[in-house]
Amino acid sequence: GENVEQHPSTLSVQEGDSAVIKCTYSDSASNYFPWYKQELGKRPQLIIDIRSNVGEKKDQRIAVTLNKTAKHFSLHITETQPEDSAVYFCAANTGTASKLTFGTGTRLQVTL
Amino acid sequence: DTEVTQTPKHLVMGMTNKKSLKCEQHMGHRAMYWYKQKAKKPPELMFVYSYEKLSINESVPSRFSPECPNSSLLNLHLHALQPEDSALYLCASSQIESLNEKLFFGSGTQLSVL
Repeated sequence: GENVEQHPSTLSVQEGDSAVIKCTYSDSASNYFPWYKQELGKRPQLIIDIRSNVGEKKDQRIAVTLNKTAKHFSLHITETQPEDSAVYFCAANTGTASKLTFGTGTRLQVTL
Repeated sequence: DTEVTQTPKHLVMGMTNKKSLKCEQHMGHRAMYWYKQKAKKPPELMFVYSYEKLSINESVPSRFSPECPNSSLLNLHLHALQPEDSALYLCASSQIESLNEKLFFGSGTQLSVL
């Protein structure tokens, strides 16, 4: 089955700095890679996703890059704000169904 | 309506109780999911329903029994649970069950088993 590794487990940045979270996956058949943000006590919310036929996708301050050859993908957040503080999960989707395998999560803390 | 609604938000039950978790969506999605999330861990898939039929059971113990009465509703019936089953139970939906459909999560039911 798919295995998704995520690093770092915690990340602290100052407001205005950039944050980068990296994930690797094991199944070369994986072709869909969403990122979820989960604030404390709240639901996971999809913030950006990328499909395997695309190398990079950007949405305002958030971007995701995908390297299929190396089987890794990354989340980039620029100009971080305190409201970006949350746990971020990467995921990969393989198989014949919407069967997401999540990474272990990164707790991002944006300090003033 | 772009929400997945779960009830109750919190549930405390004893090991001999029978309870049910409910999930509802009105986005016309035809795939619905149950995930289990322990504290500080990622969500883990339990069940997938596609067009009201169970398509995936991730080897979940029989004390968890899912039900999909119609395309908008998903239930999870609980019986004889163990304390280690205490977790956040998340419902999710997607348009269809396919390789790259966006999942929309509900806010979850925080379950405590005493």
